[in-house]
Amino acid sequence: TQLLEQSPQFLSIQEGENLTVYCNSSSVFSSLQWYRQEPGEGPVLLVTVVTGGEVKKLKRLTFQFGDARKDSSLHITAAQPGDTGLYLCAGVPRGQTGANNLFFGTGTRLTVIP
Amino acid sequence: DAGITQSPRHKVTETGTPVTLRCHQTENHRYMYWYRQDPGHGLRLIHYSYGVKDTDKGEVSDGYSVSRSKTEDFLLTLESATSSQTSVYFCAISESWGHYGGEQYFGPGTRLTVT
Repeated sequence: TQLLEQSPQFLSIQEGENLTVYCNSSSVFSSLQWYRQEPGEGPVLLVTVVTGGEVKKLKRLTFQFGDARKDSSLHITAAQPGDTGLYLCAGVPRGQTGANNLFFGTGTRLTVIP
Repeated sequence: DAGITQSPRHKVTETGTPVTLRCHQTENHRYMYWYRQDPGHGLRLIHYSYGVKDTDKGEVSDGYSVSRSKTEDFLLTLESATSSQTSVYFCAISESWGHYGGEQYFGPGTRLTVT
């Protein structure tokens, strides 16, 4: 059983459309991170959110941490082909200590069609 | 880009043979990690290291061992490869860990196929 479930698993949209992907859990997290992974490469960190209700923006990407710190969402405005990739959320469960405290979600594979 | 290399980048091996994957970093980061990535599972931690000769098990460690004799190198060994170990393996490094998630930097990955 995965600690973090992401939805949808696959998403294919036209350039210019908006989209939201979700990262959900029944557990509370101290923080959540979002990574993007392009084909043939390793994941790259986009953002870290640490406060319940926190919203962070990175150009056309908006990240939100749920009030109860059990979920997060990533909204992309006016998607572009360069946004294509695998989006992974990763979280530190509340109270979890040690270097092995980061758990990754199942991933959302986004394809933006020109 | 963080200086992390993995070798080999691709490998095909037969069931029952030993396999060693290498991760090399030039960042002098203390923590190093091995993950496997499979469809529908995201990234799962196999083993990690918090210093030279200091290693510990992750979530999916059965069938794998690791060694770290130098700060810059972290080796992952499959003692006797099985088809269930066919996967893409990623090495990652970080300067620290914390309740707010230390940033992890990932290598380019090794695609391993066990036939």
